[in-house]
Parts: sequence; structure tokens; C-alpha cells
Amino acid sequence: DTAVSQTPKYLVTQMGNDKSIKCEQNLGHDTMYWYKQDSKKFLKIMFSYNNKELIINETVPNRFSPKSPDKAHLNLHINSLELGDSAVYFCASSLGQGDQPQHFGDGTRLSIL
Amino acid sequence: SQKIEQNSEALNIQEGKTATLTCNYTNYSPAYLQWYRQDPGRGPVFLLLIRENEKEKRKERLKVTFDTTLKQSLFHITASQPADSATYLCALEGTGRRALTFGSGTRLQVQP
Repeated sequence: DTAVSQTPKYLVTQMGNDKSIKCEQNLGHDTMYWYKQDSKKFLKIMFSYNNKELIINETVPNRFSPKSPDKAHLNLHINSLELGDSAVYFCASSLGQGDQPQHFGDGTRLSIL
Repeated sequence: SQKIEQNSEALNIQEGKTATLTCNYTNYSPAYLQWYRQDPGRGPVFLLLIRENEKEKRKERLKVTFDTTLKQSLFHITASQPADSATYLCALEGTGRRALTFGSGTRLQVQP
């Protein structure tokens, strides 16, 4: 059983399009995250939700909008995609915040043409 | 400014030797530090957490040290194996934030 699953695994699309990435975790965790890993491999936090409440919203363009319909799901919608959005996006979850280990999905590789 | 630095150059060692990876940080006062492993095309996998009041933590062939005076953590893999080849990331919580900040990782290559 996959603990944190993201779909799709690959996403190739044109500039200006709108796309969504879905994430689901079956670990019973109450906190979920979105990270962006760029070509230099830096993994940067974008958003964090705890019990469906947004608790971290880093300096991310407002073209990126997360949505958490329930504790087990955190989706990421991106409007008007730009070349600079090309990266690998990782979803993660943890039991609580702070010092808890995070469990990551295998990422969604987004390529903008 | 806050920084987390890991050696960006790959570390190449022979099978059976001990690998030592370094994580240095500046302008942080972390209560804990975490280490993750990332394989190509996969998400990071949690390995160990060490708290500020712990000098050392072990798990099987892994050992982590945490020196808050030097602002450094060392990650050791003893009796290394080719299967240990991966990128290793350190992460700590930013002051006043409830989120991890990751280093850029060090790629370890264990030669058979």
C-alpha cells in the first residue's frame, strides 16, 4: 500500500495552461505539505495544512492554490503555467507538526513547453 | 541570512568503509535536525531525527551527531554498501516556523 500517493507522476503541458496535482495519504496523518524541488535539487516548502487549515503559505505566486477537502487529501492547482514552474512537486504528510518525520510521495514532474 | 550547507560534491567511497556526510547551518537555533535519503525519481525517505539535547543517535549502521556549538551535524554510515548510494538531505526547522528547511543534499556513491 502506497502511503503518500500523487497523481499524475508526469505532467507535460504548455505555457498558460491550468493544471492540478492530487495527493492522498493513508497514514492517518493530520498535516500535509507541498514542496517544490528545482533543477538544483533544493527542496522548498510551499504550503502546509493541518486538519484542513492552511498554516504555512510561503512566498508562492497566487497562481498556485492548494485545496484540502479532508485530512487525507491535499491538491495543488496551478493557473497560467509559466516556464519557471517546471520542477518536481512533492507532497508529504506527518503526524502533527514540528519534529515529526515527514513521509513523501514520489513526486510529480511538471514540464512546461 | 539563514543557511544550511551540505557538500555539493559527490562523496565516493569503497564498499565496507564508513561514509561521513556533513550538514552545517548558520543563523538557526534548531530544536532538532532530521536526515533523509532520496533516490533518483523518488521522494525523500526519513532516516533519523536528533534533538538539540542529544549528542548522538544510532539506528543500525547509521549514526548522527549534533553539535549545537559548532552548528553542525555529521551523518555516518558504517560498513557502507552499494545499496547505500543515494542523496542524503539534512533538514531543520526554521526559527519561528513550523516547517522544515532542507539542505541541497550530498550524493553518496559506494563503489563495490
